[in-house]
Amino acid sequence: SQKIEQNSEALNIQEGKTATLTCNYTNYSPAYLQWYRQDPGRGPVFLLLIRENEKEKRKERLKVTFDTTLKQSLFHITASQPADSATYLCVNNDMRFGAGTRLTVKP
Amino acid sequence: DAEITQSPRHKITETGRQVTLACHQTWNHNNMFWYRQDLGHGLRLIHYSYGVQDTNKGEVSDGYSVSRSNTEDLPLTLESAASSQTSVYFCASSESSDRGHNEQFFGPGTRLTVL
Repeated sequence: SQKIEQNSEALNIQEGKTATLTCNYTNYSPAYLQWYRQDPGRGPVFLLLIRENEKEKRKERLKVTFDTTLKQSLFHITASQPADSATYLCVNNDMRFGAGTRLTVKP
Repeated sequence: DAEITQSPRHKITETGRQVTLACHQTWNHNNMFWYRQDLGHGLRLIHYSYGVQDTNKGEVSDGYSVSRSNTEDLPLTLESAASSQTSVYFCASSESSDRGHNEQFFGPGTRLTVL
């Protein structure tokens, strides 16, 4: 079965910088990947979905890429703000989640 | 506004007891899911349903059961609670799609402690 790996447990960046989070998958390419945001004590909230045949998707300050050669999706937050501090989760079309990356944006 | 709710929000029980966690959605979604979330493991799928009378096992289904008698509800039952089932449980729902799963809407979670 496929594994979804988010290698960075935590990422700290300065306000205004671009945050880049990584999601790697094993074996076959998933039909799509989704990214969610989770705040402490709350359920995840959907952000973006990118399909296997799409290279890039954007939504406001968010951008996600899908590289089938590297078996990787990158999630970018540009002009980051302290309010972007949260845990970000990657999940494949079989509902396998990565462990998440906790992002902290410092003012 | 449509929503997805879980009850109770917190539950403490003893080993060996039967426990049922409720999940209710007013989105009219066909798909419903139960996950558990533990430190270091992220979210893991327990059971899911694609419609009334349909249930399927997920990655970590042992010791859990679900039933789907209507569109709105998918209760999760722990037949005989074990300490290893101490966790935070999330319910989610999504629309059906011929292109696979759509975005999932998650409930607020239930924190279960088994002593």
